[in-house]
Amino acid sequence: AQSVTQLDSQVPVFEEAPVELRCNYSSSVSVYLFWYVQYPNQGLQLLLKYLSGSTLVKGINGFEAEFNKSQTSFHLRKPSVHISDTAEYFCAGRSGGYNKLIFGAGTRLAVHP
Amino acid sequence: DTAVSQTPKYLVTQMGNDKSIKCEQNLGHDTMYWYKQDSKKFLKIMFSYNNKELIINETVPNRFSPKSPDKAHLNLHINSLELGDSAVYFCASSQGAKNTEAFFGQGTRLTVV
Repeated sequence: AQSVTQLDSQVPVFEEAPVELRCNYSSSVSVYLFWYVQYPNQGLQLLLKYLSGSTLVKGINGFEAEFNKSQTSFHLRKPSVHISDTAEYFCAGRSGGYNKLIFGAGTRLAVHP
Repeated sequence: DTAVSQTPKYLVTQMGNDKSIKCEQNLGHDTMYWYKQDSKKFLKIMFSYNNKELIINETVPNRFSPKSPDKAHLNLHINSLELGDSAVYFCASSQGAKNTEAFFGQGTRLTVV
């Protein structure tokens, strides 16, 4: 099945702590992978993308992700989170002959003071 | 200058009505999409157009009809609205349909009463 799986539906964390949001993709999903962020009542904003090349990808707002082909993972990390990082985070990948951009179920990151 | 814009932002309507949501992108992209986000934040692709041609038509009731008058516009018409159609509908665009990210509009929150 074509799928992108986000292993945690919610991740609570204290401000200034590191965070990792986990994402795995099925073998039928291409290795064109993305992380998006959705703030309340807003659309989706691209955080970062992996298309090819270096497996460590840096994005906006201090986020980075590592592509791991052997583990079919694309986990998102930030060394020190802020209250303003509280949002829903979506992992996505190209599938269906790459025409489809399919999404994981989302991870709610809640940063507490 | 909004890249992908949808109108209206909010839409409240009664069951059985017909309504349309409009989408325009000024990015010069050749591919546009409609996604549905349910109450659990799950994002599911509905349709995709490339150069005004339908390339993805997921399992969507035929009450939903997309129309692309040109590459910059993709509208969504919904007939005989049902309670279960209540959701946030997102329009998106990309350059190409293969290995690129999609840019999203702010969403249209449809509430059927």
